[in-house]
Amino acid sequence: EAQVTQNPRYLITVTGKKLTVTCSQNMNHEYMSWYRQDPGLGLRQIYYSMNVEVTDKGDVPEGYKVSRKEKRNFPLILESPSPNQTSLYFCASSSRGRTNYEQYFGPGTRLTVT
Amino acid sequence: GNSVTQMEGPVTLSEEAFLTINCTYTATGYPSLFWYVQYPGEGLQLLLKATKADDKGSNKGFEATYRKETTSFHLEKGSVQVSDSAVYFCALPSVSASKIIFGSGTRLSIRP
Repeated sequence: EAQVTQNPRYLITVTGKKLTVTCSQNMNHEYMSWYRQDPGLGLRQIYYSMNVEVTDKGDVPEGYKVSRKEKRNFPLILESPSPNQTSLYFCASSSRGRTNYEQYFGPGTRLTVT
Repeated sequence: GNSVTQMEGPVTLSEEAFLTINCTYTATGYPSLFWYVQYPGEGLQLLLKATKADDKGSNKGFEATYRKETTSFHLEKGSVQVSDSAVYFCALPSVSASKIIFGSGTRLSIRP
């Protein structure tokens, strides 16, 4: 089954404790992206990757890191989480064709930083 | 750059009512347009899309027509069900194709 998986689905942590949210897709997609969803602010892009070893900042990259060492995986790293990073996070992937540019989303990771 | 504006919510309807959720866009050229749906506790999933002007996207009884004259992509369904309760997002690619730009979302609740 074609899918994007994220782990963990729920995470409660404390300020400053490094964490990684994993994202994996099995559709051989070149493009992957991370979004955060906050009430009243909608979906905002954090980072994206057009292909292996190619990453770039989205709209709200501060406090986050990513890496793309393999095509299927795109982990999101919070080196020193803060309470303002409490949010619902989504990973997404797509093929690169402009006329068929639809994104497939993971189920989300709800992060709480205390 | 490209942008999208959609109808504010929440919208509450009775089962079998007719649904319209308005969406207008501003874009360079004629990019693909999308409607995504987010059911409670789940991620977003593509509901339908249209890749060029005058195209009609359809899925699960929902329809939307890509209208360049009015720069609109309104979502419609003739008879809604309780299971359609969700948040609906109108969306389009950014000019650079580096991301999808989402509308603010419209929360739809259907009463039995």
